[in-house]
Amino acid sequence: GAVVSQHPSRVICKSGTSVKIECRSLDFQATTMFWYRQFPKQSLMLMATSNEGSKATYEQGVEKDKFLINHASLTLSTLTVTSAHPEDSSFYICSAKDRGRLETQYFGPGTRLLVL
Amino acid sequence: AQKVTQAQTEISVVEKEDVTLDCVYETRDTTYYLFWYKQPPSGELVFLIRRNSFDEQNEISGRYSWNFQKSTSSFNFTITASQVVDSAVYFCALSGGANDMRFGAGTRLTVKP
Repeated sequence: GAVVSQHPSRVICKSGTSVKIECRSLDFQATTMFWYRQFPKQSLMLMATSNEGSKATYEQGVEKDKFLINHASLTLSTLTVTSAHPEDSSFYICSAKDRGRLETQYFGPGTRLLVL
Repeated sequence: AQKVTQAQTEISVVEKEDVTLDCVYETRDTTYYLFWYKQPPSGELVFLIRRNSFDEQNEISGRYSWNFQKSTSSFNFTITASQVVDSAVYFCALSGGANDMRFGAGTRLTVKP
């Protein structure tokens, strides 16, 4: 089955620093990748949609200058949380659509970010 | 606009009981997909089922069954003879023409021994 990996799985950083999270599709090409955020005991909220080779589309209320998304290849998308603050602490999950099976998203295992 | 409602925030049952998790959705798309995911404490989403809008057949997979009714815009999930390992948060989700996925708020299921 299709596998999506995320790295790192956990990260702790100091307030004001930037953190990069990678999302990779391991055995398929992903023309579209999605980034979600999940706060404790809440649902997954879509942050942005990332298409390979083009700018990401952000959901309302998500700061594009704070959450930088790069989808440089068909197997890799990165999310950079710039100048992270404690309120950015959350569980970040990416998903990817297989260009051959567009009706299904494959989810990564998630990245827990803790900003001190 | 797409919306998924899971009215049950938390459910607690005793092992071997049957439990049904409700999901009601709203969409203007004529073609859409409905999903159920399980999220154990580790956080990783576990895919359970995908159903497209043209397939209203109910599905059974082991102790799991799903009831899709377009007339009531519902896609309910039943676990038969629940087990402690079923304890998790369960999400219903909807994906339509825009290709993104909208999740319900989730239902936290606790199965007690």
